[in-house]
Amino acid sequence: DIVMTQSPDSLAVSLGERATINCTSSQSVLYSSNNKNYLAWYQQKPGQPPKLLIHWASTRESGVPDRFSGSGSETDFTLTISSLQAEDVAVYYCQSRFSFGGGTKVEIQ
Amino acid sequence: QITLKESGPSLVKPTQTLTLTCTFSGFSLSTNGVGVGWIRQPPGKALEWLALIYWDDDKRYRPSLKSTLTITKDTSKNQVVLTMTNMDPVDTATYYCAHIVGTTVTVWGQGTLVTVSS
Repeated sequence: DIVMTQSPDSLAVSLGERATINCTSSQSVLYSSNNKNYLAWYQQKPGQPPKLLIHWASTRESGVPDRFSGSGSETDFTLTISSLQAEDVAVYYCQSRFSFGGGTKVEIQ
Repeated sequence: QITLKESGPSLVKPTQTLTLTCTFSGFSLSTNGVGVGWIRQPPGKALEWLALIYWDDDKRYRPSLKSTLTITKDTSKNQVVLTMTNMDPVDTATYYCAHIVGTTVTVWGQGTLVTVSS
């Protein structure tokens, strides 16, 4: 089974600064048939279910602010929040196939 | 608009069987590529896939729990049912059902907290 590993476990960033979350998979999630990376990112705020932010590693869902971006390929991926806002405080999860990462908690410094 | 709602007991005893129902609207589980999955989250911990059923009745289970899980669908009622046998206190969690496209969770239910305690 694929194993997804996130780092760091938590990070504190000042408002307006950049936050970067890493996700590594134990095997490539790039499908050669369509050249797409099957990697998604979710945001979970306290007391709420997760929300899909990005799929195919870099495709933002409709309505997701453009300060959120995803990058990477095969086994190494990154979620970047370019300018952290107060409403971005949450836990972020990466996911591929039937495996989630352990989550990264983002807080305001 | 796609919505999903979980229903079932909030408290079960150890060794009992848990049955959860997901009732959904806004999509059909007959549509190519669509699935409904169950994902749980123990308090303060990460998300865990449990089971998934696709439009063509293909089913996937968490390997470590495969012997205890069964997922079924009733397309006419827009429902998916998950049963989990031999419940243990470590199975205390919020259980989510979700709309799946491929392996991406596009929409989540609000979740239901299940506590396993005698």
